[in-house]
Amino acid sequence: DTGVSQNPRHKITKRGQNVTFRCDPISEHNRLYWYRQTLGQGPEFLTYFQNEAQLEKSRLLSDRFSAERPKGSFSTLEIQRTEQGDSAMYLCASSALDRGQYEQYFGPGTRLTVT
Amino acid sequence: GQQVMQIPQYQHVQEGEDFTTYCNSSTTLSNIQWYKQRPGGHPVFLIQLVKSGEVKKQKRLTFQFGEAKKNSSLHITATQTTDVGTYFCAGERGSTLGRLYFGRGTQLTVWP
Repeated sequence: DTGVSQNPRHKITKRGQNVTFRCDPISEHNRLYWYRQTLGQGPEFLTYFQNEAQLEKSRLLSDRFSAERPKGSFSTLEIQRTEQGDSAMYLCASSALDRGQYEQYFGPGTRLTVT
Repeated sequence: GQQVMQIPQYQHVQEGEDFTTYCNSSTTLSNIQWYKQRPGGHPVFLIQLVKSGEVKKQKRLTFQFGEAKKNSSLHITATQTTDVGTYFCAGERGSTLGRLYFGRGTQLTVWP
């Protein structure tokens, strides 16, 4: 399967614990995005990378959230001191410039439940 | 706050009826993209519109980008049960290229 993959698919954690998610983009896609989606809402932008550079980070993201893409390939998203409000589906997407557009390919997501 | 508004939130149609969802931005967009998310699935790219007044068609789907590049619509002719899902518009602004602002989506249900 050459699509975007995310691990784990589900994560249940207790409030206050740290969690880390991984995203493997489509090979050679230079852009990688993180979104958060809750029920009945559209994906909410968190951050994105072009190669290893983090180009933008949402102001909605508190200091508890951090993302890395150290070698410009896979990425990790860490949430420290999780809160119940962090419960959501965390989506990763990747893209590459093709015919003048950055079509985004989404992974299956990691569903986080904070108890 | 919500940068891109999308209506309606829900639409129930009988198979064969038409469907339209509308998207409106408070600011001018550099481009707009449309995605479809099936129940339990992840968003899948449908199309991107870039030019003012642009119209693109994909079989029974017609996409429009407004002249002012602030609104867009997706129209499905003669819906089928396979059209079920949530349709999202997502706009990109010139000041924050690379960042997509998603609408809340329109959840389409099609009765056979």
